[in-house]
Amino acid sequence: AQSVTQPDIHITVSEGASLELRCNYSYGATPYLFWYVQSPGQGLQLLLKYFSGDTLVQGIKGFEAEFKRSQSSFNLRKPSVHWSDAAEYFCAVGTGTASKLTFGTGTRLQVTL
Amino acid sequence: DTEVTQTPKHLVMGMTNKKSLKCEQHMGHRAMYWYKQKAKKPPELMFVYSYEKLSINESVPSRFSPECPNSSLLNLHLHALQPEDSALYLCASSQAVDKREIGDTQYFGPGTRLTVL
Repeated sequence: AQSVTQPDIHITVSEGASLELRCNYSYGATPYLFWYVQSPGQGLQLLLKYFSGDTLVQGIKGFEAEFKRSQSSFNLRKPSVHWSDAAEYFCAVGTGTASKLTFGTGTRLQVTL
Repeated sequence: DTEVTQTPKHLVMGMTNKKSLKCEQHMGHRAMYWYKQKAKKPPELMFVYSYEKLSINESVPSRFSPECPNSSLLNLHLHALQPEDSALYLCASSQAVDKREIGDTQYFGPGTRLTVL
């Protein structure tokens, strides 16, 4: 069965600083990988996804993620964080049918001004 | 447009009440999902409908009863809930749930915050 690990429960960065959120997955076949963001009391918004091809994927709001098969990682990055980026970030892996998503436990991002 | 709508936004109900949550999408998606999310936890899958048929039930108690009247609508009927059922209920949809398909992406609604007294 697949699993996702987000090692950082809580991260605090200063506005304007760079950001990297870690995600490691375990899955026997080619993974389908996603990053979602959730503001308090809201639904999940898709930031970006990786299915195949270029291992560096661009998403919305200036986010990008890099798939590294050798490290089983799909880390999320942003060069300059804005205060509005404060939220909960979930990494997820989909099965071949993509009907079931396995989520990581999430990383809460706090941005200081 | 990748919008999934959910009503109501908030719901408070007693343990003897019957209520329903509603989800709607107009993206032509043929798979729809219900998730339950407790505070500070990731979403947990409850049900999946594929082409209006229930394809996955993650051993959810019978006090939760899903219904998919057509390809755009998904309901979750609630009856005799317990206080521990209080949570954010999220609906999602995706283009297809098919072993031959790849790259399926789930789009989520804003959720219904349910409180059971």
